[in-house]
Amino acid sequence: GESVGLHLPTLSVQEGDNSIINCAYSNSASDYFIWYKQESGKGPQFIIDIRSNMDKRQGQRVTVLLNKTVKHLSLQIAATQPGDSAVYFCAENAFSNAGGTSYGKLTFGQGTILTVHP
Amino acid sequence: KAGVTQTPRYLIKTRGQQVTLSCSPISGHRSVSWYQQTPGQGLQFLFEYFSETQRNKGNFPGRFSGRQFSNSRSEMNVSTLELGDSALYLCASSTGNLNTEAFFGQGTRLTVV
Repeated sequence: GESVGLHLPTLSVQEGDNSIINCAYSNSASDYFIWYKQESGKGPQFIIDIRSNMDKRQGQRVTVLLNKTVKHLSLQIAATQPGDSAVYFCAENAFSNAGGTSYGKLTFGQGTILTVHP
Repeated sequence: KAGVTQTPRYLIKTRGQQVTLSCSPISGHRSVSWYQQTPGQGLQFLFEYFSETQRNKGNFPGRFSGRQFSNSRSEMNVSTLELGDSALYLCASSTGNLNTEAFFGQGTRLTVV
């Protein structure tokens, strides 16, 4: 039969624009989040992380915003460049069924495809 | 310092065979996590090893197993391969402490025919 794959959200921007990629996370108890960038044929590349005691964190050209009230995370990329074209994933630390934090386990979102046009 | 190294990069195996993948973490990192990435299911956690012990396991059948050596290098093994095991297998390296960065290797692309 026909396989059903993930239908990733897409974002298309012009070079130089600012990009905002959104992510809704699932567990209100999650207290650590990471954004990854994955280019075709490569493994996910760490971009930036944020802990739940923060609302905002800035890196080089990137800002992550965390809204715990609505369980929402966003990644803002300033002055987007063609080299930023990739799939972007948010990930949250996962918790075991017993309620404790699961070491070494991240739960990933489905990803967003960012395309930057020159 | 060197990043996370996964070998081999590509593998083609036949149904029913077994396969072993290797991951060398960043120097000083003691935790290695393994993930399976497919177009249909995305990134899914397989298991995590820290100091040669499996600390965490995902929801995969027993055909998927792993181990870690005293130098923190890890291997994962898949026995009795099925077509559905075709995927990109990724390992992530971290210190093993809670809420710290995890860095991924390039992955091993496994194709089962």
